Amino acid sequence: DAKTTQPTSMDCAEGRAANLPCNHSTISGNEYVYWYRQIHSQGPQYIIHGLKNNETNEMASLIITEDRKSSTLILPHATLRDTAVYYCIAKIQGAQKLVFGQGTRLTINP
Amino acid sequence: GAVVSQHPSWVICKSGTSVKIECRSLDFQATTMFWYRQFPKQSLMLMATSNEGSKATYEQGVEKDKFLINHASLTLSTLTVTSAHPEDSSFYICSARTSAINEQFFGPGTRLTVL
Repeated sequence: DAKTTQPTSMDCAEGRAANLPCNHSTISGNEYVYWYRQIHSQGPQYIIHGLKNNETNEMASLIITEDRKSSTLILPHATLRDTAVYYCIAKIQGAQKLVFGQGTRLTINP
Repeated sequence: GAVVSQHPSWVICKSGTSVKIECRSLDFQATTMFWYRQFPKQSLMLMATSNEGSKATYEQGVEKDKFLINHASLTLSTLTVTSAHPEDSSFYICSARTSAINEQFFGPGTRLTVL
């Protein structure tokens, strides 16, 4: 699996869009970009994933650059409940294992 | 849908005792279950992968005789920490996936404290 690099921490004001970057410069053509988040003392929660097209669901949007070397997870209107550690993972869709890096600790401030 | 539960949610035990943690997929059949461990302020570390009806595959550095995994049915996997010691205190998280859906669904975690 390709290594991903994320900032250690970020802050965002409540109600604003939170943009979380992820670098995956060594991603291979068949690896998807997955995003999970973990709220304190809970299990991780799936957010979204994509291959090369931008994706949107009820939780977030995923923007993947054309060269696929980086991506951005966008929480359009962040709330206090979005405070969590966000993990960006590159994985072949059918592969079983998820390898978690250190993630980004996102703090939403009132 | 795709709910995974764990029991207990927290447990405190004495050093030297064994502790069993259950992981259940409530509304789907899990062909594969995973066990992770997470120490404070650290990321999740995969311990082992288990497929229903076969022996678990352990990650490097994880003692299979200490962390016994049983995946006897398509909805239940158990992790037994044998002869627990204080250094085994951690947050244990399971996840489950089915071949029909290429996603892992995580349980809420079990916090183990060994005194």
